Formats: sequence, structure tokens, C-alpha cells
Amino acid sequence: DGGITQSPKYLFRKEGQNVTLSCEQNLNHDAMYWYRQDPGQGLRLIYYSQIVNDFQKGDIAEGYSVSREKKESFPLTVTSAQKNPTAFYLCASSFGTGVGQPQHFGDGTRLSIL
Amino acid sequence: AQRVTQPEKLLSVFKGAPVELKCNYSYSGSPELFWYVQYSRQRLQLLLRHISRESIKGFTADLNKGETSFHLKKPFAQEEDSAMYYCALSLVQGAQKLVFGQGTRLTINP
Repeated sequence: DGGITQSPKYLFRKEGQNVTLSCEQNLNHDAMYWYRQDPGQGLRLIYYSQIVNDFQKGDIAEGYSVSREKKESFPLTVTSAQKNPTAFYLCASSFGTGVGQPQHFGDGTRLSIL
Repeated sequence: AQRVTQPEKLLSVFKGAPVELKCNYSYSGSPELFWYVQYSRQRLQLLLRHISRESIKGFTADLNKGETSFHLKKPFAQEEDSAMYYCALSLVQGAQKLVFGQGTRLTINP
């Protein structure tokens, strides 16, 4: 089953620790996105990237960092500065950035604090 | 500010009954809207988009700019329609950013 692969499925973080969530896509999509989902809330955009070596902050970027060194990969690091990291994280990609381009989602990573 | 509101967190209807999931948006520009769906143990996926004016799995959604709404409708609900539904507004600001509603969990009772 190709498309977007997120790993790990579950991740635990200790206090003061940085953790990195992996997102890989084999759809040849240019744009990639990271969302955070909390119970009872919709998805909120953390970071997005239109092309390699370029990324932009979303609505809730504080405490997170990303890189886009390869077209296929868009890892998200949850830093110790993120005070409330427990959430479900979804990665997505789209072929282009034009209006109407659907986004394709991964299965998500659930991050919890030890 | 751009916002998408889905007023119902939970919606339960009987099989064969009509279903309507409400979505209202706040956006000063020309909106492009989507419905995404997540079935049990599956990933979030696109159901339909406003610009395509399509019907997917019997669902339709009409953009009403006067009421700033994009409600999702199906005349006869089926048990396999049980899922989490998200309405999303597309903002093209360099990249296609999506603003999501809180989601509605639809349960179809037999």
C-alpha cells in the first residue's frame, strides 16, 4: 500500500526530549504538510512545504521544526519547547498547490508524554 | 479570520433516512471547500470537493455563498456511511492550506 507512510505509529517522549516523526511519500507530490489533531478539534496546520529546501510555518508552529531535504521526505521534530505535545499527528501531501488539489493523508503518529 | 464550523459533534440517523451534515465557513475571499471522511481504521481521505460538483457514494454538497454553508447530504443513509466527516476550506496562499472544521461523527443505526 503506497502513498504516504508515517512512522512510528506510537511514540513516547520524556520531559525535555526532542522526538522526530517520519513522513515519506512515493506519490511524487511537490507539497507536504503536517497537522496536529486534538480530541474534539479539527486538524490544525503546523508546517507545510511547497518544494524541496523550502517550508513555511502554519498556524501552530511554535515548539516544532521541520526539514525538506528530499522531495519524498518531510520529518517533523517536536522539541522540548512544545509544552503540550500529546496529540495525534497527521502528514499529508498534494500534487500541486493550486486550488482544488486534494491532500492525501498518512495513518498518523500518536505522541504521548511519559 | 478564516474559520470552518461544524455545529454537530455527533449525528445519529437510521438506515434509509436522509442525512445532512452541516458546515458553515467564514472567509472573505472566494471559497474552495472540501469534505474529507475517515472510516474506522482507515486514513483520512477526500470525499468530494466543491469545484467538481460531483456525487460520491451518493453524497452531494452545494456551496451556498449567501448562507456561507457547504452542507453534506445523502438522501438514503447506509450503514457503511458511519464515519468521521470533516469539512475543510482551502486557502491558496503560496500553498494550498486547509482550514478544517471540528468534525462530525456520523453513526447510521440499523
